[in-house]
Amino acid sequence: AQKVTQAQTEISVVEKEDVTLDCVYETRDTTYYLFWYKQPPSGELVFLIRRNSFDEQNEISGRYSWNFQKSTSSFNFTITASQVVDSAVYFCALSDNYGQNFVFGPGTRLSVLP
Amino acid sequence: EPEVTQTPSHQVTQMGQEVILHCVPISNHLYFYWYRQILGQKVEFLVSFYNNEISEKSEIFDDQFSVERPDGSNFTLKIRSTKLEDSAMYFCASSEALPGDSNQPQHFGDGTRLSIL
Repeated sequence: AQKVTQAQTEISVVEKEDVTLDCVYETRDTTYYLFWYKQPPSGELVFLIRRNSFDEQNEISGRYSWNFQKSTSSFNFTITASQVVDSAVYFCALSDNYGQNFVFGPGTRLSVLP
Repeated sequence: EPEVTQTPSHQVTQMGQEVILHCVPISNHLYFYWYRQILGQKVEFLVSFYNNEISEKSEIFDDQFSVERPDGSNFTLKIRSTKLEDSAMYFCASSEALPGDSNQPQHFGDGTRLSIL
């Protein structure tokens, strides 16, 4: 069965600090996809990144970066120089190769204080 | 940029009543999904739909639920005989293809908040 664990329920940081959100997944599939979504206080889900299980290259997009390590089944998300607008719940998710069996983690609530 | 549109944004219904949640996926998308998020909890997959039939459904998606694409643009979720525990945010999503086929992820609507009284 697929499972996503986000051990950090809530994190608070002060603006401009770096913060890393952890994501650990379980799957028996050899091909799968990992995702991060942001859910701001307004409630919508905002897609951030998709990563194929065969692509272990780390990715950087502006202040966001992702560290995919297959050996530890982790797909961690780092926000550099955090801003108040980064305050949201962040979900890590996992799907099989066919986009099915889409499983979300429980989410990490990030509060960035001014 | 094209969006997934969900209506209404908030639906209040008496327990035991039927409710239909509406979604207009992005026009060239072929795969459609419904998810549920109970307040303060994680997002849960309900069902995926392709080629006018359900391709995958979770344990949550029992006989109380049904989906339909009645007119080629709308994608509806019907909940029969609603219960208090059906209160949640319901998200619709669509994708152009499966993740393995393209770079297109699922695009989510803003959600419909369903409150059962």
